[in-house]
Amino acid sequence: DTEVTQTPKHLVMGMTNKKSLKCEQHMGHRAMYWYKQKAKKPPELMFVYSYEKLSINESVPSRFSPECPNSSLLNLHLHALQPEDSALYLCASSARGGRDNTGELFFGEGSRLTVL
Amino acid sequence: GDSVTQMEGPVTLSEEAFLTINCTYTATGYPSLFWYVQYPGEGLQLLLKATKADDKGSNKGFEATYRKETTSFHLEKGSVQVSDSAVYFCALSDSNYGQNFVFGPGTRLSVLP
Repeated sequence: DTEVTQTPKHLVMGMTNKKSLKCEQHMGHRAMYWYKQKAKKPPELMFVYSYEKLSINESVPSRFSPECPNSSLLNLHLHALQPEDSALYLCASSARGGRDNTGELFFGEGSRLTVL
Repeated sequence: GDSVTQMEGPVTLSEEAFLTINCTYTATGYPSLFWYVQYPGEGLQLLLKATKADDKGSNKGFEATYRKETTSFHLEKGSVQVSDSAVYFCALSDSNYGQNFVFGPGTRLSVLP
């Protein structure tokens, strides 16, 4: 069983919709991540929150808006997406953030997004 | 910058065959090394890890040894099962660059009964 929980598992949305992806972890981890994964490719980093502050934004379009309400929760707000944004969105966490993190990432099972 | 190279496959084996998936890396610091596995329709799961030179990670019959002299972390299993069919990602985490976690391209493994 994964200790990082993502909802929903599947989401279909139109290009004018607003939706959110949610991620939760209860391992006391202080860094949380959003990754995007296209078919047959490795995950691509989108955002990193370290100690609840946004520390990395990998030049992601503004139609993706992350939010970290507290140390256990991470959201990804979606608005005016394009069909090419269809992908598996993975949330991950790690024990420490910043330069102290040499430990593994713990991944959720992902939210599969389809944009029509 | 840091990078990870691995054989992309697909690799197709018969059940009980020996598996090797090669992984080499470049890093300016002293990285930790990982193998992740992704089963169809699922997220990534940590398979094994090694944090310093000559460490051997092992789990579920899989092994990999951190070889600093050859900058390699090859994954091996003596006898694969159909249930091992998945995509395997080699990855590194470089403490000199904070949250820099780099994945290889992934290797798709299919095991036939």
